[in-house]
Amino acid sequence: AQSVSQHNHHVILSEAASLELGCNYSYGGTVNLFWYVQYPGQHLQLLLKYFSGDPLVKGIKGFEAEFIKSKFSFNLRKPSVQWSDTAEYFCAVISVNTGRRALTFGSGTRLQVQP
Amino acid sequence: DVKVTQSSRYLVKRTGEKVFLECVQDMDHENMFWYRQDPGLGLRLIYFSYDVKMKEKGDIPEGYSVSREKKERFSLILESASTNQTSMYLCASSLGEAGGSTDTQYFGPGTRLTVL
Repeated sequence: AQSVSQHNHHVILSEAASLELGCNYSYGGTVNLFWYVQYPGQHLQLLLKYFSGDPLVKGIKGFEAEFIKSKFSFNLRKPSVQWSDTAEYFCAVISVNTGRRALTFGSGTRLQVQP
Repeated sequence: DVKVTQSSRYLVKRTGEKVFLECVQDMDHENMFWYRQDPGLGLRLIYFSYDVKMKEKGDIPEGYSVSREKKERFSLILESASTNQTSMYLCASSLGEAGGSTDTQYFGPGTRLTVL
């Protein structure tokens, strides 16, 4: 069964610091990859996604992620975080070959940005 | 914009009660999903459905069942609620088959269920 690992469970940064959140998945076939964000009191929203083409994907609010197939990784980055980025971030994968249409999620990373 | 709505934001039930959680999407999506979200565990898939009257077990189906009588509506049923089912329940929908942009999932606001 496929799995997704997010190694950083809780990250605390100061405003303007750079961010990188790790995400690794276990499935060896063709995958689509997602980052979702959940702001306090709000529902899950799509931040960005990769399904083909350029492995460097840009999303909303200045976030980007790079798909490195050889490392089974899809790390999320932002050069300069803001207090409003305080949220929980989830990496998710869907395997194309199996036909299973459901996402497999990582355990999430709680980001706290201090002003 | 896709809209996924859930019948309740907060629900308190007693052990042994039968609980219904309702989810409705307004974009004619084929696929609908139920997840539960627990701290430190992320989202775990309970059940999903590819089409009306079709359902597939997810990773943690025990103690749950589902119903999809209409394309836009997907219900999660706790046959006999237990305290370990206290959790946040999230419904999601997606347009079509895996392999393209149509598998982006859109989430509802969640139902926080407390079982006493």
